[in-house]
Amino acid sequence: QKEVEQNSGPLSVPEGAIASLNCTYSDRGSQSFFWYRQYSGKSPELIMFIYSNGDKEDGRFTAQLNKASQYVSLLIRDSQPSDSATYLCAVNILKTSGTYKYIFGTGTRLKVLA
Amino acid sequence: SAVISQKPSRDICQRGTSLTIQCQVDSQVTMMFWYRQQPGQSLTLIATANQGSEATYESGFVIDKFPISRPNLTFSTLTVSNMSPEDSSIYLCSVEASGGGTQYFGPGTRLTVL
Repeated sequence: QKEVEQNSGPLSVPEGAIASLNCTYSDRGSQSFFWYRQYSGKSPELIMFIYSNGDKEDGRFTAQLNKASQYVSLLIRDSQPSDSATYLCAVNILKTSGTYKYIFGTGTRLKVLA
Repeated sequence: SAVISQKPSRDICQRGTSLTIQCQVDSQVTMMFWYRQQPGQSLTLIATANQGSEATYESGFVIDKFPISRPNLTFSTLTVSNMSPEDSSIYLCSVEASGGGTQYFGPGTRLTVL
C-alpha cells in the first residue's frame, strides 16, 4: 500500500460546480496534512493545511480530515477554469530519526470545463 | 511565506558531467529540503539540509551522487554528479516555515541529460 494515495484523474467538472478531491494515507501517526496546487511546468503552491479532525474553510476551498478513516479531502466550490491543475496531497510523517518528512501523493489532475 | 529562488532555472547537460543547483531564500530558515519530480510523477524527497550538520538522505539517494551544501541559513546547493539520462528531472528546493510543518517551494530547476 502506498503511503499516500490519490486518484490520478483527470477529474472533470463543469464551471461553477464543486470539485471533490480525495486522499488516503497509511501512517496512523500522521499529524499534519497539506494540499498543494501545481500548474503544468510550475512548482507546487500551498493551498491549505489541516491538523485537526473536521472541516477547515478558506475562501472557496474546504479541507476535510478524518483521522479514524485516514482520509483527507479538498472541496473546491464554484470551480473556475483557472482551478485546472494537479492537486497534490502531502502528509507529514514521523521518521525513525525522530524528525518529520513530507510524503506526497501522485496528485489528481482537475479539469474545469468552461 | 518565504521567497525562494533557484539557479539555473533549466539546463541541458551531457552524460557524465555534474551540475550544481543553487537555492536562495530571502529569510533565515532552519530546514531546507531537496526534491526530485520526474516527468509525470509526484515529488520525491532526496535529502534534508540543516545548517551546521550533514544532510540527511532518503532511501535510494546517496551523498556521492547528490552532494549537498548548507553553508548558512539562507542558502543551499545540490549537485547532481556523474549524470545519466535517468537524472533528467525537475529538482526543487523547499523550506519549512517558521513554526514548523508547512513547506514552500522554489520555482524548480528543469534538468535534461543527453
